Amino acid sequence: GQQVMQIPQYQHVQEGEDFTTYCNSSTTLSNIQWYKQRPGGHPVFLIQLVKSGEVKKQKRLTFQFGEAKKNSSLHITATQTTDVGTYFCAGPTTGNQFYFGTGTSLTVIP
Amino acid sequence: NAGVTQTPKFQVLKTGQSMTLQCAQDMNHEYMSWYRQDPGMGLRLIHYSVGAGITDQGEVPNGYNVSRSTTEDFPLRLLSAAPSQTSVYFCASSLRERYGYTFGSGTRLTVV
Repeated sequence: GQQVMQIPQYQHVQEGEDFTTYCNSSTTLSNIQWYKQRPGGHPVFLIQLVKSGEVKKQKRLTFQFGEAKKNSSLHITATQTTDVGTYFCAGPTTGNQFYFGTGTSLTVIP
Repeated sequence: NAGVTQTPKFQVLKTGQSMTLQCAQDMNHEYMSWYRQDPGMGLRLIHYSVGAGITDQGEVPNGYNVSRSTTEDFPLRLLSAAPSQTSVYFCASSLRERYGYTFGSGTRLTVV
């Protein structure tokens, strides 16, 4: 089964509201990656976090890696309709396998 | 650079038929993986490879075979298609460990 759990599964927000998705692993991750998939498209790599407690920003997106390297979050400030899509976290497990979370589908209501 | 190229984009199979989904990358990436995506299930790893001649199973390998004879190509073979294999299949590649994955545009497979 999935090694990486993600919540919530769905999120509807009014345009301009903030949005956060959370990713939790049962094991310590050496790194965690985030991807965005637009409806009908393919996942696109956004960012990688490696260090405990690391915080990275990409314009309105803020990514955090937990101190224990078992959880991560993606926060979007003031959502726009272009943010619509499904956001996945992903991390390596033993043996070079790379598992994706179940994803959070974001709908932005204009 | 074309990136990751998957063919075909769409395919309909009858139960019991076999076929090969093609995946090629021109970025000299060592790591390549196959995922299937089903509603509410996220992306599930089928098989992966960390270099030419090296393949291993992911979490849902049954009914699928792979080979990696070259760095560029990583085909996925469905041995005897079943309706449960109806899904969207993505091939992805990464330069090596700790690099982001580049995905192909996907193959939408329907088994009737």
